[in-house]
Amino acid sequence: DIQMTQSPSTLSASVGDRVTITCRASQRISTWLAWYQQKPGKAPKLLIFDASSLQSGVPSRFSGSGSATEFTLTISSLQADDFATYYCQQYSSSPYTFGQGTNLEIK
Amino acid sequence: QVHLQESGPGLVKPSDTLSLSCVVSGYSITGSSWWGWFRQPPGKGLEWIGYIYHSGSTSYNPSLKSRLTMSIDTSKNQFSLKLTSVTAVDTAMYYCARGAPGSFFYMDVWGKGTTVTVSS
Repeated sequence: DIQMTQSPSTLSASVGDRVTITCRASQRISTWLAWYQQKPGKAPKLLIFDASSLQSGVPSRFSGSGSATEFTLTISSLQADDFATYYCQQYSSSPYTFGQGTNLEIK
Repeated sequence: QVHLQESGPGLVKPSDTLSLSCVVSGYSITGSSWWGWFRQPPGKGLEWIGYIYHSGSTSYNPSLKSRLTMSIDTSKNQFSLKLTSVTAVDTAMYYCARGAPGSFFYMDVWGKGTTVTVSS
């Protein structure tokens, strides 16, 4: 199985900050990576697919980059609505595994 | 607007079979999308359970494969999950989701989820 490791597990930041979350894969996955945002009690929401493609309707302050084994999700200027948990998921090969999540909290 | 709605029993006894359904509206289940199930134990992360295509092709998480059956009913525009011999570790929020059109494995529309508790 491909292991996905996110860092940090928890990130404290303020509105207006630029933040970056990293996701590392235990094997090369090309750019078969998605990022999801999840708020408490809600379903995940797709933000980024194919490592760097922005899902329709997602604000442009979200961006993704990377390939092979190292990926990043960047939020250029945090808004109050962005405080949530973020997950990466690889869809290169089964089982399609997720990172453990990064909890983005208000400083 | 595409909507997915999960339904299921809520409470299942240990060793019983868990059955969940996901009704799709606003999009034909015979479109070029895979359909997936995911779960999230309380306070934990997301786990992929499996995918099914309208042709009946499936891809299951190997960790669940021996207990898992997914099916699709095109006449009702819905797909289903059966998980046998459940235990407390199967307690979770279960989500159904649509793979992005074009036969992609990232999920662009999710249901709100249904809680399943395994307890006697």
